[in-house]
Amino acid sequence: KAGVTQTPRYLIKTRGQQVTLSCSPISGHRSVSWYQQTPGQGLQFLFEYFSETQRNKGNFPGRFSGRQFSNSRSEMNVSTLELGDSALYLCASKALAGTDTQYFGPGTRLTVL
Amino acid sequence: GNSVTQMEGPVTLSEEAFLTINCTYTATGYPSLFWYVQYPGEGLQLLLKATKADDKGSNKGFEATYRKETTSFHLEKGSVQVSDSAVYFCALTNDYKLSFGAGTTVTVRA
Repeated sequence: KAGVTQTPRYLIKTRGQQVTLSCSPISGHRSVSWYQQTPGQGLQFLFEYFSETQRNKGNFPGRFSGRQFSNSRSEMNVSTLELGDSALYLCASKALAGTDTQYFGPGTRLTVL
Repeated sequence: GNSVTQMEGPVTLSEEAFLTINCTYTATGYPSLFWYVQYPGEGLQLLLKATKADDKGSNKGFEATYRKETTSFHLEKGSVQVSDSAVYFCALTNDYKLSFGAGTTVTVRA
């Protein structure tokens, strides 16, 4: 079974721009979560989608948003990019909502100049 | 709230040495516990997990036992290889999200 895939793997943007990241979960998994990884803050939860609905949201500003499609693929959007948004963005999928095991993709490395 | 504390690195070992990474947690209820590993330039890979007290997770020679009385989930491997060089994260969940420790960088020298 194929794992979680994320595209693109690398992105370079400038301040003020917006960016969209994509995640395809493991086949059959309906829950997709997004995490931000930075050297200073470590791994932080952004949000979770299940059956096309945002179920939970972490403590991030409204510039961070997402959505999930009927095939469970998810996109994450960051508007008005700031230098501090430079990070590795990780997508994780799990079969069910709740405490099921999460499987991670390779991440998208976003650099904001 | 939930929190995970793991021993700070970096840890440098010689091949075939014994590895221990300490992890303790604070959580309500009965969380599931995980160890994830991150190799350079990659995402997180699930290494092992335990879902209830006294469970032992194991994979690729690594082991960790869920100790509720000490709220710990220490990672051990008896004989490390150069290929084990990576960052190791202890994590827990008792709801929808994972809470992670800060990560421990392990370097194994030949």
